[in-house]
Amino acid sequence: GAVVSQHPSWVICKSGTSVKIECRSLDFQATTMFWYRQFPKQSLMLMATSNEGSKATYEQGVEKDKFLINHASLTLSTLTVTSAHPEDSSFYICSAPLPANYGYTFGSGTRLTVV
Amino acid sequence: DAKTTQPPSMDCAEGRAANLPCNHSTISGNEYVYWYRQIHSQGPQYIIHGLKNNETNEMASLIITEDRKSSTLILPHATLRDTAVYYCIVVYQLIWGAGTKLIIKP
Repeated sequence: GAVVSQHPSWVICKSGTSVKIECRSLDFQATTMFWYRQFPKQSLMLMATSNEGSKATYEQGVEKDKFLINHASLTLSTLTVTSAHPEDSSFYICSAPLPANYGYTFGSGTRLTVV
Repeated sequence: DAKTTQPPSMDCAEGRAANLPCNHSTISGNEYVYWYRQIHSQGPQYIIHGLKNNETNEMASLIITEDRKSSTLILPHATLRDTAVYYCIVVYQLIWGAGTKLIIKP
């Protein structure tokens, strides 16, 4: 089935540094990728939608200059957390829509800890 | 926007059927209902989806009411590995509710 590979699965970084998270669609083309953030014991919150070849669309309250999204090809979308702070520590998940009303497939998530 | 509501938590005995309800009273005619589950610190896993008719696959069954305002996910023989948070969402609404934390007890 359609798989989205997300890397890294976990990362620890120092405050002020940047972290890049990659999501690759392995056996299908993902023209759209959704990026979610999930805090402990909470549900998924949509951060932004990336579309191949165009600018990402950010949800209200999400800083586009802090969370840089690039969708350079039909199989790769990246999220870069710039100047990370401890409050950015969270579980980040990407998701791509599937054809024929089969919903979405999800990456395995990235646990970001900023110290 | 269509939203879903689910009970925050449920317990079920191992080997018994787990029935997880979901209300989606504002669903529109062409929106599918999807069920996912999330085991701790993993990405959501697809379970099943449906539009109008009841559906069954190797993981679960989905019962959708005739008015489509609610649905029930049925795990026929729950195992300890089914312990997870179960989410019911309406596609194309990317709004995730809190889900139901299902705990399977031995």
